[in-house]
Amino acid sequence: GQNIDQPTEMTATEGAIVQINCTYQTSGFNGLFWYQQHAGEAPTFLSYNVLDGLEEKGRFSSFLSRSKGYSYLLLKELQMKDSASYLCAVRSHSGGYQKVTFGTGTKLQVIP
Amino acid sequence: EAQVTQNPRYLITVTGKKLTVTCSQNMNHEYMSWYRQDPGLGLRQIYYSMNVEVTDKGDVPEGYKVSRKEKRNFPLILESPSPNQTSLYFCASGFLSAGNGYTFGSGTRLTVV
Repeated sequence: GQNIDQPTEMTATEGAIVQINCTYQTSGFNGLFWYQQHAGEAPTFLSYNVLDGLEEKGRFSSFLSRSKGYSYLLLKELQMKDSASYLCAVRSHSGGYQKVTFGTGTKLQVIP
Repeated sequence: EAQVTQNPRYLITVTGKKLTVTCSQNMNHEYMSWYRQDPGLGLRQIYYSMNVEVTDKGDVPEGYKVSRKEKRNFPLILESPSPNQTSLYFCASGFLSAGNGYTFGSGTRLTVV
């Protein structure tokens, strides 16, 4: 089976930097996703890491360490519109098939 | 416009009455998947498909069926819905390489009474 852990809630100030952590345990690891989900809406894709290291996309960066089963999403220059849930998801092989398992999400509140 | 289209957006039904939620994508994606989202439990995978006629169970498949007869369509079937299937359902699609992630439909809010 798979186990994915991320903090339930976080609060950060507009203009600041926030780091959202995700730890996972899985067999057949085949990549890690980060998604953003605003209340009442569908998740939208932010990043995908399959190799160790940092991937940067504008204000958002994602880091992966496969040996530690650890990832983080870094949000810089926070804006009010960044208030949302951030979902970590792991893709894994399973007997030739591929499953994707999501964590329960981290609800980020950005305050003025 | 590239998109994943789910229908209906909202549905209220009674226990035991068979229903189908449709999902269609126009991006030629190989991979399609169904999730349910419940408070405190996050997104849980119901079924997924890696290509036409290739489907497999996710983490919570009980009470659901799927089919993948065409690449663009991946309907979710509830043969005999029960109240514990009341949830928000999402369909998603993507390429097998997954480098651009998966695109989600707008969701279907299902209530079974």
